[in-house]
Amino acid sequence: GAGVSQSPRYKVAKRGQDVALRCDPISGHVSLFWYQQALGQGPEFLTYFQNEAQLDKSGLPSDRFFAERPEGSVSTLKIQRTQQEDSAVYLCASSINRVGPSGANVLTFGAGSRLTVL
Amino acid sequence: QQPVQSPQAVILREGEDAVINCSSSKALYSVHWYRQKHGEAPVFLMILLKGGEQKGHEKISASFNEKKQQSSLYLTASQLSYSGTYFCGTLGNTGKLIFGQGTTLQVKP
Repeated sequence: GAGVSQSPRYKVAKRGQDVALRCDPISGHVSLFWYQQALGQGPEFLTYFQNEAQLDKSGLPSDRFFAERPEGSVSTLKIQRTQQEDSAVYLCASSINRVGPSGANVLTFGAGSRLTVL
Repeated sequence: QQPVQSPQAVILREGEDAVINCSSSKALYSVHWYRQKHGEAPVFLMILLKGGEQKGHEKISASFNEKKQQSSLYLTASQLSYSGTYFCGTLGNTGKLIFGQGTTLQVKP
């Protein structure tokens, strides 16, 4: 597609419910990143994939958070037993480059999924 | 470690200039700048690689001092369209981009 597509754009969940957030990266983009952005804050790194391999999940806040990208394209971020502190915008970004310290990794972000946990 | 941006917020009149600073306590391979408008996705502005280079985008330019692990974003003759939140992202040897807390810029007519 032309850009990174995320769905749903808005999700309201009751505390304790499970949610799944989907990301469709730009076709052919090798790397895919998930970030969490709280109101008024910068995006905080959660995890990233290179093709289907999850290379770093150090930013996932707890074992309730799980991400997958089974075929190296679409990715899903799943949050189990949601808590109020999970309320945030979840941003997905993709890059044509492999992840590495080369510095040339331009990220294209989706518009995000806004999760509100009541 | 999250890079530190300053100032946290800037209010300008159209045509005025501004500087946004970004500093890191860790060695950097590159610095990335993004702008995010309210409710929208962050949009890439520019990357600065090692070498102290400067880059430009419209009337926005930036510098990167790798020895000081600092970058500055310069906005000259600001336009209303420059309003938004600016984030620097720093890339260390892990390959993951870590963003600062953002600087909110408001340009008034």
